[in-house]
Amino acid sequence: EPEVTQTPSHQVTQMGQEVILRCVPISNHLYFYWYRQILGQKVEFLVSFYNNEISEKSEIFDDQFSVERPDGSNFTLKIRSTKLEDSAMYFCASRADYNSPLHFGNGTRLTVT
Amino acid sequence: TQLLEQSPQFLSIQEGENLTVYCNSSSVFSSLQWYRQEPGEGPVLLVTVVTGGEVKKLKRLTFQFGDARKDSSLHITAAQPGDTGLYLCAGAPPYGGATNKLIFGTGTLLAVQP
Repeated sequence: EPEVTQTPSHQVTQMGQEVILRCVPISNHLYFYWYRQILGQKVEFLVSFYNNEISEKSEIFDDQFSVERPDGSNFTLKIRSTKLEDSAMYFCASRADYNSPLHFGNGTRLTVT
Repeated sequence: TQLLEQSPQFLSIQEGENLTVYCNSSSVFSSLQWYRQEPGEGPVLLVTVVTGGEVKKLKRLTFQFGDARKDSSLHITAAQPGDTGLYLCAGAPPYGGATNKLIFGTGTLLAVQP
C-alpha cells in the first residue's frame, strides 16, 4: 500500500540553524499538509499546500517557516532559524482529493538544543 | 476557534474490559475521524463518520457521531493489549475552505494490561 515517507526520522540541530524536513507524499495525491506535535500536546495544523501554493496556514507558521514542492514528488518544510520551542514531531500528510482520507507519514522528530 | 476535548486523557485497563472514549466540542463538524497513533509513528486512520447519529463498527471498535455532529465516542469491547496506543479524534470544520484541514483532539492514551 502506498505511504507517505518522511526523512530524516530524527534531526538534532542547534538553535538558530536552518533545517529542512523532507516528505514524499503518495504519488497521485493533490493536497499536502504539515502538522506538528509537541511532546505531550495535541497534533496542530501548520500549513496546507494545493496547486503549487500555500492554501492555508496557522498562526504557528510564521516567517521562519516555508514550504516547497520543488519537483513532482518531494514536499519540504524549512525552518529558517530554529528555536528551542520548535522541538516537536513534524508530520507530513497528503490526500487524494478534498474529501478523501488524510494519510500521515511517520514523522520527523526535531530536537533543537 | 474550534476545540475538541477528549476524555479520559489516560486509561489503564485489564485485558477483556470494555471502555469508551469521548470526543466533545461546542462546534459542529462536517465529519469526524478517529486515528490511532503508536510511539514513533504517525496517526493511522481508523474510521470517518459523516452523518449525525451515524454508528460504524470496526471489529471490536464501535464509533458514533453525535446527532448534532458536535461529539463522538469510541467504544472498545473486550480490549486486548494490541489496542494499546494513543487515540485521536479529528474534526473537519463545516466550512473547510481551500484545504479541509483537520482539528485534532487532545488525545486519549490507552494501556491494556494483559
